[in-house]
Amino acid sequence: QLQLQESGPGLVKPSETLSLTCTVSGGSISSSSYYWGWIRQSPGKGLECIGTIYYSGNPYYNPSLKSRVTISIDTSKSQFSLKLTSVTAADTAVYYCTRYPTAIVAFDMWGQGTMVIVSS
Amino acid sequence: QSALTQPASVSGSPGQSITISCTGTSSDVGNYNLVSWYQHHPGKAPKLLVYEVTKRPSGVSNRFSGSKSGNTASLTISGLQAEDEADYYCCSYAGSSTWVFGGGTQLTVL
Repeated sequence: QLQLQESGPGLVKPSETLSLTCTVSGGSISSSSYYWGWIRQSPGKGLECIGTIYYSGNPYYNPSLKSRVTISIDTSKSQFSLKLTSVTAADTAVYYCTRYPTAIVAFDMWGQGTMVIVSS
Repeated sequence: QSALTQPASVSGSPGQSITISCTGTSSDVGNYNLVSWYQHHPGKAPKLLVYEVTKRPSGVSNRFSGSKSGNTASLTISGLQAEDEADYYCCSYAGSSTWVFGGGTQLTVL
């Protein structure tokens, strides 16, 4: 059974960089059948797709976050990562790592989510 | 890229049917048959209920069904059960490998 697990600091200071890692277990991150992505939910708000990446690289980013986001993948560690620079309180959210199969273009597997608070 | 519009809340009694709407634009919902719906119980991982407007993943109850007309997609839950009480989100592909979600709808089973 595939599992995704987010990890990283739960508290980040304003203007600093938020860094999260998603570890994929029970399945291959190198499969050509899937993209991997990050989605967040700010308190009291809906979901927002941050971006996605293929096993071979080639990330795609939400245009509203593109200038601050980097998503990378390390297939040798079965992990993919998110970096978000110059964070503000508006970046406080639960961050989810996800998978979407190229065959269905929907996010079929999600991690449990990790809460990140931006505060000094 | 604006969020899709969902009602903030809906409610129904056990056994009844409810429908949640999701309104987008001709650039997202209206342009692609790539609308998906997710059920989210707070504190848990969201669960995919419907993809490509009408299709259900294996294991998802046939009480959940999706449809679309123009720029509006809908999720219908029939035979409401207590465990259906959750937040529901729609999502549409919006081109260039981007997606847009709805603001979420809180379902209360009375």
